[in-house]
Amino acid sequence: GDSVTQMEGPVTLSEEAFLTINCTYTATGYPSLFWYVQYPGEGLQLLLKATKADDKGSNKGFEATYRKETTSFHLEKGSVQVSDSAVYFCALSDTNNAGNMLTFGGGTRLMVKP
Amino acid sequence: DAGITQSPRHKVTETGTPVTLRCHQTENHRYMYWYRQDPGHGLRLIHYSYGVKDTDKGEVSDGYSVSRSKTEDFLLTLESATSSQTSVYFCAISGEVYRSPSNYGYTFGSGTRLTVV
Repeated sequence: GDSVTQMEGPVTLSEEAFLTINCTYTATGYPSLFWYVQYPGEGLQLLLKATKADDKGSNKGFEATYRKETTSFHLEKGSVQVSDSAVYFCALSDTNNAGNMLTFGGGTRLMVKP
Repeated sequence: DAGITQSPRHKVTETGTPVTLRCHQTENHRYMYWYRQDPGHGLRLIHYSYGVKDTDKGEVSDGYSVSRSKTEDFLLTLESATSSQTSVYFCAISGEVYRSPSNYGYTFGSGTRLTVV
């Protein structure tokens, strides 16, 4: 079945540091890949997505590239801010998935210190 | 998020009582989902729907049932609530990637925090 593995947190960085959160996946079809962000006490917001291999998703300074050869979708940001502190979820939806549902990784908590 | 609302936002209920959570969408999306979020487990799929009266089980469906009598509404029912069902419940909706790839994605509601005492 489909699965998503992302690095465990928490990840603690100083402001303006470089961020990488690793995400790898297994899927039987041709998945679309997503990063969602959850701020404290809130629901999930779509951060970025990629629907086919080699696509790069980007938003708010965050980027992730769909790498089919390594089955990865790592999240990066060049300079994090305190306001980026949140939990980040990598997820996929698979064309072989009749219900079109999202499969999530376990989430990575990011804490950015001033 | 605009287009999807969950009710109630918070609920405290007693063990053994039935509870129904409601998800309402105005996007006319085909797919609707119920997830639960628990510390250490991320988000896990409870049930999903791929059309009116078309539903199926997810990863953690025991103790839950769902109904979808209209495109816009997806109800989650705990027939007899237990303390293990204390959680935050999220509804989500999605369209189909081939219809609009650039707009394809999943929109989540704000969540319902359910406490079973």
